[in-house]
Amino acid sequence: KQEVTQIPAALSVPEGENLVLNCSFTDSAIYNLQWFRQDPGKGLTSLLLIQSSQREQTSGRLNASLDKSSGRSTLYIAASQPGDSATYLCAVPRPGKLIFGQGTTLQVKP
Amino acid sequence: DTEVTQTPKHLVMGMTNKKSLKCEQHMGHRAMYWYKQKAKKPPELMFVYSYEKLSINESVPSRFSPECPNSSLLNLHLHALQPEDSALYLCASSQGGGTGELFFGEGSRLTVL
Repeated sequence: KQEVTQIPAALSVPEGENLVLNCSFTDSAIYNLQWFRQDPGKGLTSLLLIQSSQREQTSGRLNASLDKSSGRSTLYIAASQPGDSATYLCAVPRPGKLIFGQGTTLQVKP
Repeated sequence: DTEVTQTPKHLVMGMTNKKSLKCEQHMGHRAMYWYKQKAKKPPELMFVYSYEKLSINESVPSRFSPECPNSSLLNLHLHALQPEDSALYLCASSQGGGTGELFFGEGSRLTVL
């Protein structure tokens, strides 16, 4: 059974810091891993999708890495801004569905 | 266009009412999903339609009834709901196969009185 864990559950940092969000999964036989952002009361926005054959993906200030052998993915946010404040969720697919982590709620203070 | 559109954004209904949530996408995706999300929890899968056929029902109570009229539309019919059904209902779509990138709508906030 695939389980996905995100640590920490919450994180508060001053503006400008570089930070790393962690995601771990128990079954390394994954097709891909997807990172989402969710603002309060809103839907999920897809940030990055890493295929199982890839080691990392980059979009602007975001960089996501994937290490299947250790069952880990990290989301690196460079030069954090207050607008980055949100909940970040990682998810891995199982047939027909996504298995989500519990999310990391990030607060970036001005 | 990577947009999934959900209506209404907010819905308040009594336990005896019948209402529907609607979802639309024009990305040519062949898989569409309904998720339910409670506060401070990740989304929970309810239903999956693949090529307009119901492929997954996660043991959802029959007071929730999904419908996929065509490949671009997904409805969720609601009847005789309970207050504990109050939640954010999210629609998503992906290319067929269940392993592609998922795109979510903004959600419909449902309150059952």
